[in-house]
Amino acid sequence: NAGVMQNPRHLVRRRGQEARLRCSPMKGHSHVYWYRQLPEEGLKFMVYLQKENIIDESGMPKERFSAEFPKEGPSILRIQQVVRGDSAAYFCASSDGQVNTGELFFGEGSRLTVL
Amino acid sequence: EDQVTQSPEALRLQEGESSSLNCSYTVSGLRGLFWYRQDPGKGPEFLFTLYSAGEEKEKERLKATLTKKESFLHITAPKPEDSATYLCAVLTAGVYNFNKFYFGSGTKLNVKP
Repeated sequence: NAGVMQNPRHLVRRRGQEARLRCSPMKGHSHVYWYRQLPEEGLKFMVYLQKENIIDESGMPKERFSAEFPKEGPSILRIQQVVRGDSAAYFCASSDGQVNTGELFFGEGSRLTVL
Repeated sequence: EDQVTQSPEALRLQEGESSSLNCSYTVSGLRGLFWYRQDPGKGPEFLFTLYSAGEEKEKERLKATLTKKESFLHITAPKPEDSATYLCAVLTAGVYNFNKFYFGSGTKLNVKP
């Protein structure tokens, strides 16, 4: 887990508010993945980004969810008008993007609770 | 459809009782298979990468093997500190040849002293 930084670690929001989760990848990594994990469940892919580009967003809900990875600064997963069902742990992972290798290194996660 | 299935969902062992976890996959164009360990409230921690059938990797009490259809994570003489959820992930070629990862649901291992 060393090197991938996520914040906040815990976030509490009321229904209808916005949640912003940030992820700074490991040094030298330009590829970021976001996963969602419900209690006692596996990791569900949401979105895969490279600097300034969304590569694959097939796992992300079409409404209320968006992600970006700007040229400068962390990747951000944004959830608008949160609902109780959005409560989960959101994990970010980074890789160097090398085809045929590309281990993912994960952050500690951001735990979102929607009241 | 690409799929990764892990079994069993949960496994309880006595300390010192060796066993194996299974990860079976049906994907096209496997580029690699990864094992991760996840402790409660933590992010997954990378353990092994396997790239081709017949390959084996070892780390302390853990040994990972790979065939054309599945991977095993063998745990020899486990200790209570090995208790965790073990996740398997496969890497395939996605759109425009970018990496695409599929994760299994994990096996929750509990080792009792």
